[in-house]
Amino acid sequence: SQTIHQWPATLVQPVGSPLSLECTVEGTSNPNLYWYRQAAGRGLQLLFYSVGIGQISSEVPQNLSASRPQDRQFILSSKKLLLSDSGFYLCAWSFSGRMGSGTDTQYFGPGTRLTVL
Amino acid sequence: KQEVTQIPAALSVPEGENLVLNCSFTDSAIYNLQWFRQDPGKGLTSLLLIQSSQREQTSGRLNASLDKSSGRSTLYIAASQPGDSATYLCAVKSNAGNMLTFGGGTRLMVKP
Repeated sequence: SQTIHQWPATLVQPVGSPLSLECTVEGTSNPNLYWYRQAAGRGLQLLFYSVGIGQISSEVPQNLSASRPQDRQFILSSKKLLLSDSGFYLCAWSFSGRMGSGTDTQYFGPGTRLTVL
Repeated sequence: KQEVTQIPAALSVPEGENLVLNCSFTDSAIYNLQWFRQDPGKGLTSLLLIQSSQREQTSGRLNASLDKSSGRSTLYIAASQPGDSATYLCAVKSNAGNMLTFGGGTRLMVKP
């Protein structure tokens, strides 16, 4: 069976500090990977998705970047955090080859709560 | 641009009641619609996925329907239990891209 891990679970960082959040998936190969942010009082917003190693698509302009150095590893980064980067960050995966179909359920990780002070 | 709206934003019901959560979307050109459950401070759990060619899906006490032409979906929960208390999110995958567009969620509380 497949599992998805995210760490850390919670993080408190000062404004201007760097950020690195990690997501890994086990039990499948070449998954589609996603980063979402859920800000207080706002819905879930897709930040990045990836269909393969080194292939990253960004949905919204922002202070963040993503990388996929390995098949089942997805990293969210920032060089200098802003107050507005605070939120709940969720990583998700779906089976490859189904992104264009109607059957691609996305499976979410436990999330990272980021507070920027 | 796809927009997804969920009504009501919050709902409180006594245990045992049947209830309906609503989701509407503005662009009917969709691949699928998913209902998720989110417990406080946790990730999302997929409950039901309805493909654009389907009208409904059922899982246990949950039944989700889809009316693509009118841009609506409902999640029916039968015989609600306190363990059903959570936020329920609907999300639409549009034909135009790979992203899911989420509604703002309905926060459900089932009182014993």
